[in-house]
Amino acid sequence: GEDVEQSLFLSVREGDSSVINCTYTDSSSTYLYWYKQEPGAGLQLLTYIFSNMDMKQDQRLTVLLNKKDKHLSLRIADTQTGDSAIYFCAGFQGGYNKLIFGAGTRLAVHP
Amino acid sequence: DAMVIQNPRYQVTQFGKPVTLSCSQTLNHNVMYWYQQKSSQAPKLLFHYYDKDFNNEADTPDNFQSRRPNTSFCFLDIRSPGLGDAAMYLCATSSGTSGRDEQFFGPGTRLTVL
Repeated sequence: GEDVEQSLFLSVREGDSSVINCTYTDSSSTYLYWYKQEPGAGLQLLTYIFSNMDMKQDQRLTVLLNKKDKHLSLRIADTQTGDSAIYFCAGFQGGYNKLIFGAGTRLAVHP
Repeated sequence: DAMVIQNPRYQVTQFGKPVTLSCSQTLNHNVMYWYQQKSSQAPKLLFHYYDKDFNNEADTPDNFQSRRPNTSFCFLDIRSPGLGDAAMYLCATSSGTSGRDEQFFGPGTRLTVL
């Protein structure tokens, strides 16, 4: 089955760019997602990319997909303290109609 | 605001004592999901309902059951909680089960087993 892996922790300075990386194993994943979880809150969908795309940009967020290497990244430009949260990468396993999540990357933004 | 609500937010139970977690939604979505998220691990799907059709994941223990009495409510029953069942339980809803159907998550219920 699908396996999704992420690094567990990232620390950046306020105003810098953050890049959160994710690798997945199932090349048939049709959609790949980034979710954000703030303390005490549920997972919130930030953005997604369809598997036939290489890049998607949405305001400060840029998603890059390298299908050959099965690598997904989320870049947050001009990172703010409000971006501090856990970011989950997820793949949609079409044959089973379900999401497979990574363990999440905790982003800490410091002054 | 339309939303997914989970009650209680924190639940403490004793080893072996049945416990029920609740989820309700105002989105009128067809699909409701239950995920288990252990500390520093990925959320793991336990089962989901599409309308009244129950879909269990193959590796979900028999100890976990679910009920969906109507569109708005879904319950997670843990018949005999063990220490290994301590986790955050997340409820989510979506209009369908395709990759285009966004899943909306509740804030979760943190279960402690003593």
